[in-house]
Amino acid sequence: GDSVTQMEGPVTLSEEAFLTINCTYTATGYPSLFWYVQYPGEGLQLLLKATKADDKGSNKGFEATYRKETTSFHLEKGSVQVSDSAVYFCALSDRGGSYIPTFGRGTSLIVHP
Amino acid sequence: NAGVTQTPKFQVLKTGQSMTLQCAQDMNHEYMSWYRQDPGMGLRLIHYSVGAGITDQGEVPNGYNVSRSTTEDFPLRLLSAAPSQTSVYFCASSQLSDQPQHFGDGTRLSIL
Repeated sequence: GDSVTQMEGPVTLSEEAFLTINCTYTATGYPSLFWYVQYPGEGLQLLLKATKADDKGSNKGFEATYRKETTSFHLEKGSVQVSDSAVYFCALSDRGGSYIPTFGRGTSLIVHP
Repeated sequence: NAGVTQTPKFQVLKTGQSMTLQCAQDMNHEYMSWYRQDPGMGLRLIHYSVGAGITDQGEVPNGYNVSRSTTEDFPLRLLSAAPSQTSVYFCASSQLSDQPQHFGDGTRLSIL
């Protein structure tokens, strides 16, 4: 079946540091890939997405590239801010498989001033 | 534009009580789902629906019931609350299941 594996957190960084959160996946069909962000006390919000191999999703300074050869969708940001502190979820929806979204377990990011 | 609305935001129940968590969306989405979020466990799918009148079980359906009589509403019923059901519950919707999900703000449920 489909699965998503994220690096465990928490990830702790100083403001303006470079961020990478690793995400790898397994899927039987043709997955769309997503990153969601969850701020304290809120629901998940879509951060970015990519629907086919080599697509790059980007939003609010965050980027992720759909790498079919390595089955990865790593999230990156060049300079994090305190306001980026949140939990980040990698997810997929497999158009050739079950179609039901599959989420990773989430990675907590803490950014210190 | 309200998006996905969940009520109540907080609830405390006693073991054995029943209750219904409400979820409504105003985007005419066909796909709706319920998740529970527990520390270290990520999101776990409870039930989902691909359209009015159609529901199916997710990963952790035991102790929960759902129905989908309209496109807009997808209530989650706890039949006989147990302490193991203490969690944060999220409702989500999308036009199709492979599209980005829109989440509500959650219901924080404690069962004593």
